[in-house]
Formats: sequence, structure tokens, C-alpha cells
Amino acid sequence: SAVISQKPSRDICQRGTSLTIQCQVDSQVTMMFWYRQQPGQSLTLIATANQGSEATYESGFVIDKFPISRPNLTFSTLTVSNMSPEDSSIYLCSVRGTGGEQFFGPGTRLTVL
Amino acid sequence: QKEVEQNSGPLSVPEGAIASLNCTYSDRGSQSFFWYRQYSGKSPELIMSIYSNGDKEDGRFTAQLNKASQYVSLLIRDSQPSDSATYLCAAAGAGSYQLTFGKGTKLSVIP
Repeated sequence: SAVISQKPSRDICQRGTSLTIQCQVDSQVTMMFWYRQQPGQSLTLIATANQGSEATYESGFVIDKFPISRPNLTFSTLTVSNMSPEDSSIYLCSVRGTGGEQFFGPGTRLTVL
Repeated sequence: QKEVEQNSGPLSVPEGAIASLNCTYSDRGSQSFFWYRQYSGKSPELIMSIYSNGDKEDGRFTAQLNKASQYVSLLIRDSQPSDSATYLCAAAGAGSYQLTFGKGTKLSVIP
């Protein structure tokens, strides 16, 4: 399975600011995904990021709030814009394996004050 | 809307016992199923994949799939305190690259 890293691992941010989360994979992958996991909850898919095309967002998530970049097959970023305390969550990137499974990065724990 | 349902638990079992975790899914077209283990404060870790009806064993873990009943289960034999975690069930529809996750079952193995 791919080795996935995320930066930062955690951050505390002020309301109204933006944070960019980086996801790096040690091999080339076609599909990368961004999830949010709020405390005590399951995973919610934010968007699918494919290299060379616009990210595909799930219902309830918009590009202006969560812009995503995918400049190559090993890297992606998710920005959380104009943050509010409701954005406090763990943000996870994942990559799709050959069997349809997904492998997750270690996550970014975000607290918005 | 595609759904994956799990009992949230907590499920408590004594050390050495068999833990049985269950999952049902609504999309009859689902083809691939996955179990993830998530320790508190950590990201989900894939522990089992199953694609066809029947049982699949890997060490102390056995995944069971019954597509007619739209039911997936995970058995953990000889449960250890280190198995204490939340277990997430996920399903992928036919031709879909997305996974639908259940809300997870919290397992506690009591020494």
C-alpha cells in the first residue's frame, strides 16, 4: 500500500483565516480523496481530486470554501477557507488502491477558535 | 441514497472471546466491501477486503459476505485488548470509485 503523509498534523487557527493542508503520496496514484471526520462521527467525503481536472465536490461542499489542487499524481492540497469553529475537524486524504480500497493519510486535526 | 448501517456499540467482549461486528448496506449493486480499524486519534487502517459471497480469513480476522441479504460481518477471534477500536464498514458500488462508510462500531476488549 502507498505511504501517505499530511502536513500539518494539527493546527489551531483563528476564525476567518484559511489553512492549506498538504497530502503527499510515495507513488503515483490516479485518485485522491479528501474527507472530514468530526468528533465521534464517521467519514464524510468532501471531494475527489483527479490530476489534470477540477475536483468533484460532494453535496454540501463547495469549491469556494474548500479549494483543492492536484498538480501531479503524488500530491494534493485542500484549503479550508474563511474558517469558523464549525470547521473544527480532522481532515483526511486518501488514495484508491487497485482493489477499490482506500488508504488514508494520518490526518490533520484542525481547531478553529 | 446509498447507506451502510452499523450498530454503534459499544460492543464489549472479554479477552480471548470472539467479537462479531455486523454491517448492512442498502445498495444492492455494491460489489466491494472493506473493514477498517480506527484507533482513537488515528486514521482508519484497512484490515479486510471482501468481494464475493462467503468467508475470507486473514489471521484472527474473518470477513463474511452475503450479497443476497446485503450483509457483511467481521469476526475477530481470540480478541485482545489491542483490538479495542472503532471498526468501520465500507462499501463500493459497481463501477464506483467512492466508498460509503458506516458510522462505525466501537469495540472494547476487557482484560
